[in-house]
Amino acid sequence: RKEVEQDPGPFNVPEGATVAFNCTYSNSASQSFFWYRQDCRKEPKLLMSVYSSGNEDGRFTAQLNRASQYISLLIRDSKLSDSATYLCVVKALTGGGNKLTFGTGTQLKVEL
Amino acid sequence: DGGITQSPKYLFRKEGQNVTLSCEQNLNHDAMYWYRQDPGQGLRLIYYSQIVNDFQKGDIAEGYSVSREKKESFPLTVTSAQKNPTAFYLCASSGTGDQHPEAFFGQGTRLTVV
Repeated sequence: RKEVEQDPGPFNVPEGATVAFNCTYSNSASQSFFWYRQDCRKEPKLLMSVYSSGNEDGRFTAQLNRASQYISLLIRDSKLSDSATYLCVVKALTGGGNKLTFGTGTQLKVEL
Repeated sequence: DGGITQSPKYLFRKEGQNVTLSCEQNLNHDAMYWYRQDPGQGLRLIYYSQIVNDFQKGDIAEGYSVSREKKESFPLTVTSAQKNPTAFYLCASSGTGDQHPEAFFGQGTRLTVV
């Protein structure tokens, strides 16, 4: 089983739609959780951290369920500029230090 | 400006040659990471380092080597033993405390073996 699993998509949605991405992780000792956005041929950039209480940043809402080892990202009122790959990231403390593991990413295409 | 710098942006290498990719950060981060990304694929961890003079193998360390002689620098050497080195290489750094655990990336190096 992969440490971090995501549906690869692509998700093709019309502008204005609400879209949800899910991610599961296998290491129950994971400590921190993030969503990153990656545009084509660019480096990933932090979209938002994910907290146990859930958190919102404008049109974006992230949630964490530690019991189910599940993370989600909700994008409301999708814009064309939201088209990108969204990466779920988990940070866990190992014997060698903090290890950051990425999911394979979910591709989103927002269309007119 | 604070950030992570990777160089060069594009690199071409002949088969059988070793090549070293540079990664420097001035964010005062303790942890640094190297990832490899193939077209249409996710990021796979090559090596990571928590502190100076210490580093750990990631999921795909074979054919690669690293050093961490200074906090700011974490160079990656792609050796001739790496069977399929053509890829996009990304370096990241992060804090190790609870306050700022997120990672920041350099712009990446695209390595092509010719």
